[in-house]
Amino acid sequence: EIVLTQSPGTLSLSPGERATLSCRASQSVGSNYLAWYQQKPGQAPRLLIFGASTRATGIPDRISGSGSGTDFTLTISRLEPEDFAVYYCLQYGGSSWTFGQGTKVEIK
Amino acid sequence: QVQLVESGGGVVQPGRSVRLSCAASGFIFNNYAMHWVRQAPGKGLEWVTIISSDGSIKYYADSVKGRFTISRDNSKNTVDLQMNSLRPEDTAIYYCACGSPVSEWGQGTLVTVSS
Repeated sequence: EIVLTQSPGTLSLSPGERATLSCRASQSVGSNYLAWYQQKPGQAPRLLIFGASTRATGIPDRISGSGSGTDFTLTISRLEPEDFAVYYCLQYGGSSWTFGQGTKVEIK
Repeated sequence: QVQLVESGGGVVQPGRSVRLSCAASGFIFNNYAMHWVRQAPGKGLEWVTIISSDGSIKYYADSVKGRFTISRDNSKNTVDLQMNSLRPEDTAIYYCACGSPVSEWGQGTLVTVSS
């Protein structure tokens, strides 16, 4: 089973700042099958990025994904008020999918 | 638009069973893999199981293997999760979801395992 480790656990930033979230895999993620989700309190998660770097429908271009192999990054170039939430990475496509433990982006 | 509506949650005693159901609409159901993903109160997301579009392939997380069974009925656009030998650590919101990767989610149903 591939274990995903997200860092940091919490990111305290102000609106307008840049957020950089990391997701590190215990072994290489095949075909870069790595996705990112945003979850707000009381809501289901929302898909942001799949294939490590492809934005899902309706996701603004201030949100971007990068990386390959075992190291992946989600970047939010300028934080908007609606971006403060918890973010999860997911590796998929094989017989055992796993989520990272999440990074909370909070208002400083 | 895509709708996934879960049902069947509630309070159940340890060791007992419960069956969750998910009704899907707004998309071509038999074209998509379906999942169950859970989230314990105040905790992160845990992928539970996936069933392929035709129901022939099923995978499970190690934490539920041998206890949970996923199934689907493409004539009714439903996917079920049979949960046996429940443990307190199975307490969570259970989300029905579709796609690869998961792209659409239901609102979830809460299962509480407690005596």
